[in-house]
Amino acid sequence: QKEVEQDPGPLSVPEGAIVSLNCTYSNSAFQYFMWYRQYSRKGPELLMYTYSSGNKEDGRFTAQVDKSSKYISLFIRDSQPSDSATYLCAMSETGDDYKLSFGAGTTVTVRA
Amino acid sequence: KAGVTQTPRYLIKTRGQQVTLSCSPISGHRSVSWYQQTPGQGLQFLFEYFSETQRNKGNFPGRFSGRQFSNSRSEMNVSTLELGDSALYLCASSLSSVKRSYNSPLHFGNGTRLTVT
Repeated sequence: QKEVEQDPGPLSVPEGAIVSLNCTYSNSAFQYFMWYRQYSRKGPELLMYTYSSGNKEDGRFTAQVDKSSKYISLFIRDSQPSDSATYLCAMSETGDDYKLSFGAGTTVTVRA
Repeated sequence: KAGVTQTPRYLIKTRGQQVTLSCSPISGHRSVSWYQQTPGQGLQFLFEYFSETQRNKGNFPGRFSGRQFSNSRSEMNVSTLELGDSALYLCASSLSSVKRSYNSPLHFGNGTRLTVT
């Protein structure tokens, strides 16, 4: 079993829909949780960065972390065709410098 | 502010050869990490450097090595290339000081696509 599980999709939604992405993990020591967006032929781009449990909102993006369930989510409201990309969750333990554990990535297509 | 720059963007090598990849971090960033991305394994951590010292290493064979220079630029070397080394190699930088903090996430470059034939 992988340390971080993420459904690879693909996920296809109409423009304006809410996109819901999630990851589960097994390592209870994870403290930092991130979501990256990766366009084809590009490197991952940081979208959201949260520490420990709770919610964080940034524009159309909302990240949720539930450490008790070892479950994190990313919601994209009012999705646009430009949101079509692969979304990667990542996490790391406190003090474990930059050794991120990534999910497999979910490929999302937003249809115009 | 310029992002993380990786060169070259594409490389084609033959089995048994060695290769060196280069990474220039964002100005002011002192930590550089390297990751391998493949369709089967996803993103996997290779190693991280800070102030010319390797602070952390992933589970890769000794054929994979790296170094960091005094200007924070980093190189990664793979010796005796194997077909399975074909991947996108990503470099990421961060503001990290001595210890990782909440305010120093990773910023990735666009990678070097290595193909081993």
